[in-house]
Amino acid sequence: DGGITQSPKYLFRKEGQNVTLSCEQNLNHDAMYWYRQDPGQGLRLIYYSQIVNDFQKGDIAEGYSVSREKKESFPLTVTSAQKNPTAFYLCASSDRLSGANVLTFGAGSRLTVL
Amino acid sequence: GQQVMQIPQYQHVQEGEDFTTYCNSSTTLSNIQWYKQRPGGHPVFLIQLVKSGEVKKQKRLTFQFGEAKKNSSLHITATQTTDVGTYFCAGNGGNNRLAFGKGNQVVVIP
Repeated sequence: DGGITQSPKYLFRKEGQNVTLSCEQNLNHDAMYWYRQDPGQGLRLIYYSQIVNDFQKGDIAEGYSVSREKKESFPLTVTSAQKNPTAFYLCASSDRLSGANVLTFGAGSRLTVL
Repeated sequence: GQQVMQIPQYQHVQEGEDFTTYCNSSTTLSNIQWYKQRPGGHPVFLIQLVKSGEVKKQKRLTFQFGEAKKNSSLHITATQTTDVGTYFCAGNGGNNRLAFGKGNQVVVIP
């Protein structure tokens, strides 16, 4: 079955540590996205990538970094510079060629900073 | 920048009743999408509206896109317990970046 796999599902981190969240898709989608979800805040865009080896900052990119070395993979690193990293992180992809920009989401990774 | 507002933010709905959730954009949209997120789950695409004044139905769900392409609504009839969750609208301003509303969290009372 085609889809998006995020790992880990739950992650605990100590303050000052970097952590990398994995996102892999087998939908052959060109575009991939990272969103952050906090209670009552909806979905906020962190970074997005429309093609391999290229990515752009979203609305809340500070304290995060990404890479897009392969079409299938778009890992997100939450750095120690992120002031409030505890959140639910959602990865998504879309097929740009269809023009619809409909997002398919992964199951999410819940990060808790202790 | 583009902003999308959803009202209400929370709704308690008696099973069997109808309810509506609204989405308003500060700018004209090229299209609008609706997603549903079940408790503990992830957002799942429901529908996309593109044309001015467009109305689409999915069983008990009716979606509308305003004439000015700046607002949209989702109306659910005969609410069931399976309708529980958060409904998000997401507006596309033409730059292929979706702006999500904060969602409408729906609780169904049996």
